[in-house]
Amino acid sequence: AQTVTQSQPEMSVQEAETVTLSCTYDTSESDYYLFWYKQPPSRQMILVIRQEAYKQQNATENRFSVNFQKAAKSFSLKISDSQLGDAAMYFCAYRQGAQKLVFGQGTRLTINP
Amino acid sequence: GAVVSQHPSRVICKSGTSVKIECRSLDFQATTMFWYRQFPKKSLMLMATSNEGSKATYEQGVEKDKFLINHASLTLSTLTVTSAHPEDSSFYICSAYGTSGGTYNEQFFGPGTRLTVL
Repeated sequence: AQTVTQSQPEMSVQEAETVTLSCTYDTSESDYYLFWYKQPPSRQMILVIRQEAYKQQNATENRFSVNFQKAAKSFSLKISDSQLGDAAMYFCAYRQGAQKLVFGQGTRLTINP
Repeated sequence: GAVVSQHPSRVICKSGTSVKIECRSLDFQATTMFWYRQFPKKSLMLMATSNEGSKATYEQGVEKDKFLINHASLTLSTLTVTSAHPEDSSFYICSAYGTSGGTYNEQFFGPGTRLTVL
């Protein structure tokens, strides 16, 4: 079974600085999708960024970018120029095709003003 | 973008009663919907996967007779917590799998329902 591991329960960063959240996963499949979701205090799940495993190029969305290392099964999220609104729980997730999402344990990110 | 609604957002009920939670995809058709449960400061735990017109597939350890799921149309799935007890108190989140703006298929999440059983 696929598993997703986030080894950092909590992270903090100074406003305007850069922070990297770690995620590793385990799968025997070659074609899959990886995601980072943000869950603010409202608890609405928000898709931050997605990566298709067949793409070698790392996905980017404005201040958010990933470092996808397929061989190492690593998928980290870098947030540049951190803003107060980035404070939230961040979940790494794996999905194969149209199947269910498998979530990591989550990382709580605090932004210090 | 694709919008998924959940109703109610909060519900408080007495022990032994049943509670129904609705999940609707407002601007797209969802052949598959997912129901998650989330405890405080924890990750999302998948409870079941429902496909329109067929029986839901429950994850191991989830009581199918307690958590009834119906996916009667391409835009509506319901979760009924039967004979609710205080240990069923939790945050329940649904997601709907579909296409947003014709770009790619994705899971879109509802805002969640907080259930409190007294």
